Amino acid sequence: GAVVSQHPSWVICKSGTSVKIECRSLDFQATTMFWYRQFPKQSLMLMATSNEGSKATYEQGVEKDKFLINHASLTLSTLTVTSAHPEDSSFYICSARGRNENNEQFFGPGTRLTVL
Amino acid sequence: GQNIDQPTEMTATEGAIVQINCTYQTSGFNGLFWYQQHAGEAPTFLSYNVLDGLEEKGRFSSFLSRSKGYSYLLLKELQMKDSASYLCAVMDSNYQLIWGAGTKLIIKP
Repeated sequence: GAVVSQHPSWVICKSGTSVKIECRSLDFQATTMFWYRQFPKQSLMLMATSNEGSKATYEQGVEKDKFLINHASLTLSTLTVTSAHPEDSSFYICSARGRNENNEQFFGPGTRLTVL
Repeated sequence: GQNIDQPTEMTATEGAIVQINCTYQTSGFNGLFWYQQHAGEAPTFLSYNVLDGLEEKGRFSSFLSRSKGYSYLLLKELQMKDSASYLCAVMDSNYQLIWGAGTKLIIKP
C-alpha cells in the first residue's frame, strides 16, 4: 500500500526559532501534497495544497510567510514554521495523493510541535 | 458555504452495531471518505463512496445517497479497539477534501 512518512515525529523548540517538517511518499509519486493542522479535540484544518514544481495554495487565514511550503519533487514536501510561537503548537499532518482512481489521500503519521 | 455535519460523540457496547451519520452540503461532489483517527495519531482510510449504495468491507460498511447529501458508516461486532474518532470528508469540485469535525466513538464493555 501507499506509505507516507513524516519527520520528525515530535519536536520541542524555543519561541522564535524555525522548524522544518518533511513529508515523503515512499512508494508512489505524489502529484499533490496537503498540509493540515489539528488542535486538540478539533478536526483537521487544511493549511495548504501543493503540487510538485509549483507554488503552494494557502487556505484563507494561513500566513504564507510564516508557513513556508516547498514541494520540490514528486516524493518530498517540506513545511517550515518560521519564527514559531507557542500558539503554533499543534499536530501537523501531511497527506499525499498520487494518480489513483479513488483520489485517495494517504496520511503521514503526523508531527507534534510544541513551542515553549 | 460548504458544510459537513456529524454527531460529536456516540457510545456503544462491545459486540454491538453502531451507525455514524454524515450529512453534507458542498460545491460539487467527487466522492465521500470515511477515516478513523485514534488519539494522537493521523487518520487512516476506511472507505470511499462515489456512487449511491452500500460498500461493505469486513466489519465496516459505508452508505451514500447523493440526492440526500447523506452517508453513514456502519460498524458491526464492535471491538474495544474501535474506540476512536471517525471523520467524514467530502471531495468537492476542486478535488479538495472538506472535513467534518469527527465523531468520537466510545466503546463500553
